Amino acid sequence: NAGVMQNPRHLVRRRGQEARLRCSPMKGHSHVYWYRQLPEEGLKFMVYLQKENIIDESGMPKERFSAEFPKEGPSILRIQQVVRGDSAAYFCASSTSGGNQNTEAFFGQGTRLTVV
Amino acid sequence: DAKTTQPPSMDCAEGRAANLPCNHSTISGNEYVYWYRQIHSQGPQYIIHGLKNNETNEMASLIITEDRKSSTLILPHATLRDTAVYYCIVHTGNQFYFGTGTSLTVIP
Repeated sequence: NAGVMQNPRHLVRRRGQEARLRCSPMKGHSHVYWYRQLPEEGLKFMVYLQKENIIDESGMPKERFSAEFPKEGPSILRIQQVVRGDSAAYFCASSTSGGNQNTEAFFGQGTRLTVV
Repeated sequence: DAKTTQPPSMDCAEGRAANLPCNHSTISGNEYVYWYRQIHSQGPQYIIHGLKNNETNEMASLIITEDRKSSTLILPHATLRDTAVYYCIVHTGNQFYFGTGTSLTVIP
């Protein structure tokens, strides 16, 4: 059973371009979390999704950022018109059940976004 | 809005037990305590979680006080590969709330 797969592992974008980060959850997992980690800082929650539904997006910036988790395929975190401050590691985690707090989430290895 | 408080850093001698404390005085009755660790810049690794009873698995033990306001993660025999940042997390249902963590250094 493969773990959470994130790609690409490293992504370089010029200011103003779009960045698309993909996350394939573990088999059987229908809940996905996205976190952002700035250099030398802890992980900050961005968004929690279930298949075809955004459950909690309280950590998402109001502009330029969006996330989806379609019925088929990976979850996508999309950043439009990237700026240098978007440079960070973006981690995805998946779990079998998000509302049940007695369920651990497993993290991928992250996507390192660098905006030049 | 810090839900957990941890010491910023700790050292532990190789082969000895590492005891990592965490305060979560505002935890609600149905919120679980989770521990994850992050080695270098890798993805966080799940360690253990619990509600009010002590828990043990192949990696660690979790001791939760009776009033649930604090807990301790115990690595029984620390190795050099246990050097990492350890996060004590309160799971609020929709998110795992990461604080600043404890940077554990295992010393040879």
